Amino acid sequence: DAGVIQSPRHEVTEMGQEVTLRCKPISGHDYLFWYRQTMMRGLELLIYFNNNVPIDDSGMPEDRFSAKMPNASFSTLKIQPSEPRDSAVYFCASSPPGGGSIQYFGAGTRLSVL
Amino acid sequence: DAKTTQPPSMDCAEGRAANLPCNHSTISGNEYVYWYRQIHSQGPQYIIHGLKNNETNEMASLIITEDRKSSTLILPHATLRDTAVYYCIVSPNTGNQFYFGTGTSLTVIP
Repeated sequence: DAGVIQSPRHEVTEMGQEVTLRCKPISGHDYLFWYRQTMMRGLELLIYFNNNVPIDDSGMPEDRFSAKMPNASFSTLKIQPSEPRDSAVYFCASSPPGGGSIQYFGAGTRLSVL
Repeated sequence: DAKTTQPPSMDCAEGRAANLPCNHSTISGNEYVYWYRQIHSQGPQYIIHGLKNNETNEMASLIITEDRKSSTLILPHATLRDTAVYYCIVSPNTGNQFYFGTGTSLTVIP
């Protein structure tokens, strides 16, 4: 299995631009999580889905952030408009049916907003 | 918020056992203890988890005290590749809300 696949690995953009991060979970997994990691705040859960339905988005920092999961094999995290404080590493993780207890993480997307 | 307390950093000599402690004094009866690690510039990696019994797998052993208020992750023969940040997390087995805290930065010294 290829594991959780995230793209792009690195993204550099200018303030005000729209940014879209992509994630392909492990086949057969029905939970999908988006995290953000910064030096100041560590690893934070932003939102998670179960069977393509958002279950808890209380970690999404503000309305500029949105996440979708149109099907079981694809999810996006969008930031519009982006700001320098959004610079971070964004991780996607997935879990098999039965609960999110063991989460398998992708390699992350390092976002730099100038 | 993270429900666990870990030392910020530890060193371990290569080939020796690394014992990483974690305090979780407010753990609930239905909460498991999970350990993950994050090697620099990579995503977190699952290591092991347990409820109340000690657990062992190919990566590590997990020792949970009888009152479940603390646990220790043991890497029996640490290698340089074990240098990473280790996170101790408590969560129900449905496990959907993981709070990673600050973890312990383990450095394995040659």
